[in-house]
Amino acid sequence: DSGVTQTPKHLITATGQRVTLRCSPRSGDLSVYWYQQSLDQGLQFLIQYYNGEERAKGNILERFSAQQFPDLHSELNLSSLELGDSALYFCASSVSLDRGLGNTIYFGEGSWLTVV
Amino acid sequence: GDSVTQMEGPVTLSEEAFLTINCTYTATGYPSLFWYVQYPGEGLQLLLKATKADDKGSNKGFEATYRKETTSFHLEKGSVQVSDSAVYFCALSVSTGNQFYFGTGTSLTVIP
Repeated sequence: DSGVTQTPKHLITATGQRVTLRCSPRSGDLSVYWYQQSLDQGLQFLIQYYNGEERAKGNILERFSAQQFPDLHSELNLSSLELGDSALYFCASSVSLDRGLGNTIYFGEGSWLTVV
Repeated sequence: GDSVTQMEGPVTLSEEAFLTINCTYTATGYPSLFWYVQYPGEGLQLLLKATKADDKGSNKGFEATYRKETTSFHLEKGSVQVSDSAVYFCALSVSTGNQFYFGTGTSLTVIP
């Protein structure tokens, strides 16, 4: 158990709908990352937050948004869903940005999203 | 930009065979290097890491050496087991911002 909690574990929804994925980082971790894993594109970095502020943005679509709340949990909002958005969405967390070299990130078990 | 390239899979080996999964990187500055493993139905777990040139990371019989001269971090294990069947990801992080870059993953299947 990595200590990173993601909900829901599985979600099936229709095209055009909106969903919210939730992540609770490990206790004490300030940085949260979101990744998308699909069969054809591997593990894609979406976005990173640090202590409530957006830190880095990767291949995140405009239909997707995220935020990190004062209690450090994070939500990833996916809207106007398309079939191609079906994937496993991972949250990960780490202690800080510049704790020194080798700062490890810890992954949750992921949220499986199926768009039908 | 910073990136990781790892060996395409899938890889199928017999039990007790020797494993090598190649990983090379491109980075500005001095990254840290990682191997993560994903078992079926689970999230990624840290397998090993190295933070500077010539460091060797090791765990569960797996090893990888940070080679600056060849910009590589190849994963090796002398004798694989069926339980090692998983997807292996090479990754690097740059200290500024702790951004992580992952390879595409290499699927390993070990048959008895």
